[in-house]
Amino acid sequence: GAGVSQSPRYKVAKRGQDVALRCDPISGHVSLFWYQQALGQGPEFLTYFQNEAQLDKSGLPSDRFFAERPEGSVSTLKIQRTQQEDSAVYLCASSSNPQGPGETQYFGPGTRLLVL
Amino acid sequence: AQSVTQLDSQVPVFEEAPVELRCNYSSSVSVYLFWYVQYPNQGLQLLLKYLSGSTLVKGINGFEAEFNKSQTSFHLRKPSVHISDTAEYFCAVSLPPGGYNKLIFGAGTRLAVHP
Repeated sequence: GAGVSQSPRYKVAKRGQDVALRCDPISGHVSLFWYQQALGQGPEFLTYFQNEAQLDKSGLPSDRFFAERPEGSVSTLKIQRTQQEDSAVYLCASSSNPQGPGETQYFGPGTRLLVL
Repeated sequence: AQSVTQLDSQVPVFEEAPVELRCNYSSSVSVYLFWYVQYPNQGLQLLLKYLSGSTLVKGINGFEAEFNKSQTSFHLRKPSVHISDTAEYFCAVSLPPGGYNKLIFGAGTRLAVHP
């Protein structure tokens, strides 16, 4: 079946511009995660959804970052007034059972954001 | 708080040689442990995971890892590497049941296999 997809794959934004990054999780997956991966670093947790509920947004770096998953499937990560430090790869992951021990997360290919 | 340290940022190795990628973690509670691989321009793919039980875990593509609680380590090994194993490898931890498996990653180790 189809895996996790993300769009766009690449995004170039001018500083101050707003951007929206989309994630289509695996169909039926309850859990959805967003991670930020800076160049040469490991992914860092941003936020977590269980269905449409955003249960953890502790990793969002500032109030310019906003995520939603209104119908419990597709999710959008929005960054307002982008800054150069927002340049990174944004990864989306989904998993089927939020309470499953060590449940495997399936990752999308990521959106590479470059802010000029 | 939990953290993950990958001791080598880059590991060069010749084809068919053995390799070990090192990972240490710190946590005041028990954790689950994972290794993911990232090929260029692709998402992360799970290689293997340790939840409980046998400390030697076998994964895909001939990789295995050993959980050592006393040394808080989870090193990844392969007895004979191929050119196609060239990629970035990430060690990660997540909390046991009661949480929702948020992953905490190390900085990654770039494995470069040379002919």
